[in-house]
Amino acid sequence: GESVGLHLPTLSVQEGDNSIINCAYSNSASDYFIWYKQESGKGPQFIIDIRSNMDKRQGQRVTVLLNKTVKHLSLQIAATQPGDSAVYFCAETVQGGKLIFGQGTELSVKP
Amino acid sequence: ETGVTQSPTHLIKTRGQQVTLRCSSQSGHNTVSWYQQALGQGPQFIFQYYREEENGRGNFPPRFSGLQFPNYSSELNVNALELDDSALYLCASGDRGHGNTIYFGEGSWLTVV
Repeated sequence: GESVGLHLPTLSVQEGDNSIINCAYSNSASDYFIWYKQESGKGPQFIIDIRSNMDKRQGQRVTVLLNKTVKHLSLQIAATQPGDSAVYFCAETVQGGKLIFGQGTELSVKP
Repeated sequence: ETGVTQSPTHLIKTRGQQVTLRCSSQSGHNTVSWYQQALGQGPQFIFQYYREEENGRGNFPPRFSGLQFPNYSSELNVNALELDDSALYLCASGDRGHGNTIYFGEGSWLTVV
């Protein structure tokens, strides 16, 4: 069936280091892949997305890489800050907007 | 600030009761979706509304129902509440013409006792 999963449930990094969060997906028909950040007690916050016909997309301090050959998605955060501490979800969109989420990776930034 | 607002933020209900959760979508968005997020899990798709009609449904029983109004606000109704319905309920709005622009509200925390 359709699924989006994450390789690691937790990730701890030092402030200033780069973070890489990985994700595997199984549905080749998805149109977009999206990364969300969710802080405790809040709703998911859109970070960045990438269309299925792209390999890489950059935002402010974040980069998303898509490898369709191995169905792998990653989020890179440069110069990680304490405010980046949160749970990060990858999600894929199918059928015009339905999102399929993975379990999430908890990012902890040590000062 | 996503422009998606939900109410109430927290509520407690008794098993067997009914609950209505409300959402106001971001201006200009024409789809509204609802998600259930259990503690420690990713959000699970309940259903989506487009032009006031249900347009896709996840693996949830019929006692989960919804409405979308002409002003793109929406309601999620859950009948015959069960203990396992305790979760964060998230509303998300999007633009059907741009499948990636999906923004979430802060959610409604439902506890069923």
